[in-house]
Amino acid sequence: AQSVTQLDSQVPVFEEAPVELRCNYSSSVSVYLFWYVQYPNQGLQLLLKYLSGSTLVKGINGFEAEFNKSQTSFHLRKPSVHISDTAEYFCAVSGDYGGSQGNLIFGKGTKLSVKP
Amino acid sequence: NAGVTQTPKFRILKIGQSMTLQCTQDMNHNYMYWYRQDPGMGLKLIYYSVGAGITDKGEVPNGYNVSRSTTEDFPLRLELAAPSQTSVYFCASSYSNKLAGTYEQYFGPGTRLTVT
Repeated sequence: AQSVTQLDSQVPVFEEAPVELRCNYSSSVSVYLFWYVQYPNQGLQLLLKYLSGSTLVKGINGFEAEFNKSQTSFHLRKPSVHISDTAEYFCAVSGDYGGSQGNLIFGKGTKLSVKP
Repeated sequence: NAGVTQTPKFRILKIGQSMTLQCTQDMNHNYMYWYRQDPGMGLKLIYYSVGAGITDKGEVPNGYNVSRSTTEDFPLRLELAAPSQTSVYFCASSYSNKLAGTYEQYFGPGTRLTVT
């Protein structure tokens, strides 16, 4: 079975500082990896995804993530955060197996709080 | 495109009442999903559908029912509401097949349900 672990439930950071949100996964099959962002009282919005190819993936709003197969990680990074990045971030994994190949397994989320 | 729409936005139910959460997508996606989100727990899959007429249980299906008579609509039914069903419910959709290899899900804005 697949699982996703987001290592930090809350990450406080000052504006213009760099940030890394950590995500580890476990899976016995090839995976597709995603980061979603949820702003207060809204649905989830895709930040970026890894399906295949280059292990460094760039997304919207200046975020990027690196797929590391040997460490089974998919950490999210941004070199300089803004107040507007305050949100909850979810890592998710999908495996190409059987009829439920489209299903996503989500981590429990990391709340990023950017302070002035 | 409106994307994924959900109604209602908010609802308060008494224990034992029933209701249907509506979900519609206009992207011609074959896959649709229902999740519930509880604080600190991430998203849990309730039911999913891989196409009209086909539905299957997710991780937490008890107390819920679904149907998928058209590609666009995927309503979620609560028959006997219980306080444990107080949550935020998200509907999502995606286009998935082995050739496309794309498993990105698009989310609706959510329905906040309280059962008292």
